[in-house]
Amino acid sequence: QVQLEESGGGLVKPGGSLRLSCAASGFTFSDFHMTWIRQAPGKGLEWVAYISITSKVYYADSVKGRFTISRDNAKNSLFLQMDNLRVDDTAVYYCVRGVLKFDPWGQGTLVTVSS
Amino acid sequence: QSALTQPRSVSGSPGQSVTISCTGTSSDVGHYNYVSWYQQHPGKAPKLMIYDVSKRPSGVPDRFSGSKSGNTASLTISGLQVEDEGVYFCCSYAGTYVVFGGGTNLTVL
Repeated sequence: QVQLEESGGGLVKPGGSLRLSCAASGFTFSDFHMTWIRQAPGKGLEWVAYISITSKVYYADSVKGRFTISRDNAKNSLFLQMDNLRVDDTAVYYCVRGVLKFDPWGQGTLVTVSS
Repeated sequence: QSALTQPRSVSGSPGQSVTISCTGTSSDVGHYNYVSWYQQHPGKAPKLMIYDVSKRPSGVPDRFSGSKSGNTASLTISGLQVEDEGVYFCCSYAGTYVVFGGGTNLTVL
């Protein structure tokens, strides 16, 4: 079945970096746009970035210039390089298939930015 | 990239119908027919309930329906069931960005 599994979350100090990975299985990864969405504790959903099947990339204003989304179709993997992290980047980060609709969702990986 | 506007909470009794509104702008909801709705239960990842304004993924009960008029989209749940309780988020594609609503907490009394 279609599955997405995120990894790479953890505790990092403000100004630090973290790289999230998402392993996809059960579908032809290269045929789909892919997206990162985050949810701060107790808050709503926030779109972070998406990458098209041709690797065009788009970012939310809140992360532009600090985050980089990328994909490796040969390894069925999606990545999010997060630099210059801020306290308000603390959230569960979800890897999601699609951009016009999001389905399925991974289980999420928690990123905590704190000194 | 301003968030879509949803009511903070709605409620209904089992068997009743509720409608959740989602207001955007002419750049997102009003421009694209790519509005989707997600249900989230505590501690779980969101689940797609409606896409392309009014289409239901397989496995989603036909009690769930979506519509759009101008810059406002709506999710209607008819024949409310206890398991429908949760938080509902609307979402709109807007070309170079995607925007979510703040979420609506549905309570089934």
